[in-house]
Amino acid sequence: NAGVTQTPKFRILKIGQSMTLQCTQDMNHNYMYWYRQDPGMGLKLIYYSVGAGITDKGEVPNGYNVSRSTTEDFPLRLELAAPSQTSVYFCASSYSIREGISLGNTIYFGEGSWLTVV
Amino acid sequence: KQEVTQIPAALSVPEGENLVLNCSFTDSAIYNLQWFRQDPGKGLTSLLLIQSSQREQTSGRLNASLDKSSGRSTLYIAASQPGDSATYLCAGGSSGNTPLVFGKGTRLSVIA
Repeated sequence: NAGVTQTPKFRILKIGQSMTLQCTQDMNHNYMYWYRQDPGMGLKLIYYSVGAGITDKGEVPNGYNVSRSTTEDFPLRLELAAPSQTSVYFCASSYSIREGISLGNTIYFGEGSWLTVV
Repeated sequence: KQEVTQIPAALSVPEGENLVLNCSFTDSAIYNLQWFRQDPGKGLTSLLLIQSSQREQTSGRLNASLDKSSGRSTLYIAASQPGDSATYLCAGGSSGNTPLVFGKGTRLSVIA
């Protein structure tokens, strides 16, 4: 059972570089999310998607971009990396009927991607 | 806007104790509340999900309750074991389509 798969697991970037964190899920979930987790700060939502072709900003979207061309994939792109983007990034997915009636909305997380910007 | 708070930030108990972790939220129109476990260097694993129409959910030694009127949820762990040591996070959703808002977590250490 693959679930939610993120790559890479670890990455060191130099200030100003760009990179893409990959995320794929094999559960046919319509919702996908990107969170970042800083020490002692909990998880903060960066972007989310309610289905292919639709994305929305979360609490901390600045400096990031996303796309959702397929149900399975939800890559997160960092443009012009800054030290403030040093964090652990988690991709997650869930299933929820878009009309607002949820089947439970249990959310499944990937293992995380540790990113350091120096 | 939903805000979720967890107190205490850290808790240490001897093995075998029953314990309660607390979670409070600001929006009483909460749609559902979930409890997660996070081991060091790992992602989050969903433990229990409570819908707004429910008052509690149980799984093995875990029991989670939801009191919307007081804006509180508790996670009860019975007969704690060293393997329960982890960070426990709660998260609330204000509607079926709204992403979850997470608390900062409680780091639990169960001492053998």
